[in-house]
Amino acid sequence: GENVEQHPSTLSVQEGDSAVIKCTYSDSASNYFPWYKQELGKGPQLIIDIRSNVGEKKDQRIAVTLNKTAKHFSLHITETQPEDSAVYFCAASPDNYGQNFVFGPGTRLSVLP
Amino acid sequence: EAGVAQSPRYKIIEKRQSVAFWCNPISGHATLYWYQQILGQGPKLLIQFQNNGVVDDSQLPKDRFSAERLKGVDSTLKIQPAKLEDSAVYLCASSLTSGSGSYEQYFGPGTRLTVT
Repeated sequence: GENVEQHPSTLSVQEGDSAVIKCTYSDSASNYFPWYKQELGKGPQLIIDIRSNVGEKKDQRIAVTLNKTAKHFSLHITETQPEDSAVYFCAASPDNYGQNFVFGPGTRLSVLP
Repeated sequence: EAGVAQSPRYKIIEKRQSVAFWCNPISGHATLYWYQQILGQGPKLLIQFQNNGVVDDSQLPKDRFSAERLKGVDSTLKIQPAKLEDSAVYLCASSLTSGSGSYEQYFGPGTRLTVT
C-alpha cells in the first residue's frame, strides 16, 4: 500500500522568512496530493492541493510543487506569519476519485515573532 | 454552511469499557470517513461510507470497532471493549460524492478519547 514520509518533523522560522516541507510517497499510482493544516484542538483543514497532471500550483503565499518521477512533493510558505504556526500534513491518494488519503506524520511549524 | 459536527469532544473511560462517538456531516455530502489520529501522527483511515454503504473498512479493527451510517447521514463509531492503545483523537470527515470532481475532505473537530 501507499506510504508517505514527511520532513522535517519540526520547523522553526522567523516571521517573514520562508518555510519548506517535503514529502515522499511510494505508490506511483497516486494522483492527488493535498496539504492540510491542523491547529490545536481543531480538525485538519485543506490549504492547497495538486493533481498529478500539474507540476506546480500557487495560492497567494502558499505553493506546492510535484515531481512525479522522483515521487516527492513540497509545500512552500513565503512571508510567514505567526498565524501560520500549526501542524501541517501532506497526503497522497491512489484512488481515481481522490479518496482514501494516506497522510504523512506531520510537521510542526513554529513562526517566531 | 455548517461544518462537520462531532460529539462528545472529550471522553475518558477505563479499559474494557465501551464508548460511542457521533458525527453529523455537512449537508449534501454523500461520503463520510472516520479517522484515528494518535498523538504525534497523521490521521489513519478507519472506515469510509458512501451514503449508507461501506466503501473501505480494511483498517478497522473489527473485533472491537464498529460503525454505522443509518439513512446515509449521521454516523456512529463504537469501541467495545476499549484498550489503552485506543487513546487517540477520532476525526470524522465528509466530502461530496466520488466522481463530483471535488476531492476535498472537510474534517470535524474530533473526539479526544483517553483510555485509562
